[in-house]
Amino acid sequence: EIVMTQSPATLSVSPGERATLSCRASQSVSSNLAWYQQKPGQAPRLLIFGASTRVTGIPARFSGSGSGTEFTLTISSLQSEDSAVYYCQQYKHWPPLTFGGGTKVEIK
Amino acid sequence: QVQLVDSGGGVVQPGRSLRLSCAASGFIFSSYAMHWVRQAPGKGLEWVALMSYDGGNEYYADSVKGRFTISRDNSKNTLFLQMDSLITEDTAVYYCAKTASFDYFDHWGQGILVTVSS
Repeated sequence: EIVMTQSPATLSVSPGERATLSCRASQSVSSNLAWYQQKPGQAPRLLIFGASTRVTGIPARFSGSGSGTEFTLTISSLQSEDSAVYYCQQYKHWPPLTFGGGTKVEIK
Repeated sequence: QVQLVDSGGGVVQPGRSLRLSCAASGFIFSSYAMHWVRQAPGKGLEWVALMSYDGGNEYYADSVKGRFTISRDNSKNTLFLQMDSLITEDTAVYYCAKTASFDYFDHWGQGILVTVSS
């Protein structure tokens, strides 16, 4: 089973500042990595797939990078509506499909 | 547009059974693999089960293998999760999710709460 580790657990960022979220895989998943945003009481929403391809309709301030075992989600200029928990998920080696533990982004 | 509506949750005693449903619309249901993903209260996401587009293949997380059964009725655009021998650790919000081409989830249901408690 591929273990996905996200850091930090919580990130507090001022509006307009950059937020950098990390995700590490226990072995290479190539670029088979997705990012999701989940707000309280809501289902997750797909932001990024293929490590760096933004879903249609997702603001350009969200970007993904990395391959192999190290991945990053960057929010270039944090907005208040970006307060949420963000999860990475690998889909290279399954079953099982596995998620990271999540990073909670708070607005400072 | 794609819509997934989860139903069938509730409170159930340990050892009992429950069946979840997910009604799909807005896409060709019979062309896509479908999943169940769950989230225990205050916890992260856990993949539960996958059924291929035609129902020919199914896969499970070890935590539910032998107790849960995923199925689908492509004539009714509906996905199911039969949950037997429920334990308290199965308490969670359960989401059905549509896969995109490569097993990431491009659409999710609204989620349905299952509480296993005596």
